[in-house]
Amino acid sequence: GIQVEQSPPDLILQEGANSTLRCNFSDSVNNLQWFHQNPWGQLINLFYIPSGTKQNGRLSATTVATERYSLLYISSSQTTDSGVYFCTAGGTSYGKLTFGQGTILTVHP
Amino acid sequence: EAQVTQNPRYLITVTGKKLTVTCSQNMNHEYMSWYRQDPGLGLRQIYYSMNVEVTDKGDVPEGYKVSRKEKRNFPLILESPSPNQTSLYFCASRQGRRGVGYEQYFGPGTRLTVT
Repeated sequence: GIQVEQSPPDLILQEGANSTLRCNFSDSVNNLQWFHQNPWGQLINLFYIPSGTKQNGRLSATTVATERYSLLYISSSQTTDSGVYFCTAGGTSYGKLTFGQGTILTVHP
Repeated sequence: EAQVTQNPRYLITVTGKKLTVTCSQNMNHEYMSWYRQDPGLGLRQIYYSMNVEVTDKGDVPEGYKVSRKEKRNFPLILESPSPNQTSLYFCASRQGRRGVGYEQYFGPGTRLTVT
């Protein structure tokens, strides 16, 4: 099956800093999503991005499918950005998503 | 509002007492699945369903059952829960066609503790 690796595993920032989270995947994918898991455990959809670039406010994401990686950019970070960021990927098998181990982001005021 | 709902959100139970976690989606999605999340192990798929009356095992199906009698509902059944099933459970859904990518939507999670 598809392997998904995220880096860095932990990231500590001061409020206002920018950051880049990376996701490498081992095979061709037709689904690539980024989620934010908030302190209450909920998985918040950030981007559905099997290829290309998308932006939503301070967040943006880029997936280069041919090189099998995706990047999540967070600009002007806020304390509410803290939590775990997951990259998930799915290939030709029916709908299954493989989750990376996540990046734990802590933003200090 | 398009959403996936789960109930209950929190449950504490005892070993061996059968329980059901319900999952419902209002997006007319064909595909639904269950995941569990455990510290250090991440999220792993338990079961999935490609459509009504079509279900299959995921990576960690032992100790669980599912059914898909209606398109919108996909309950997770623990017939004899054990402490190693203490976990955070997520239901998910998406439109379905094999080999075609669609965005998946996750429910809010069910935190289960088995004592």
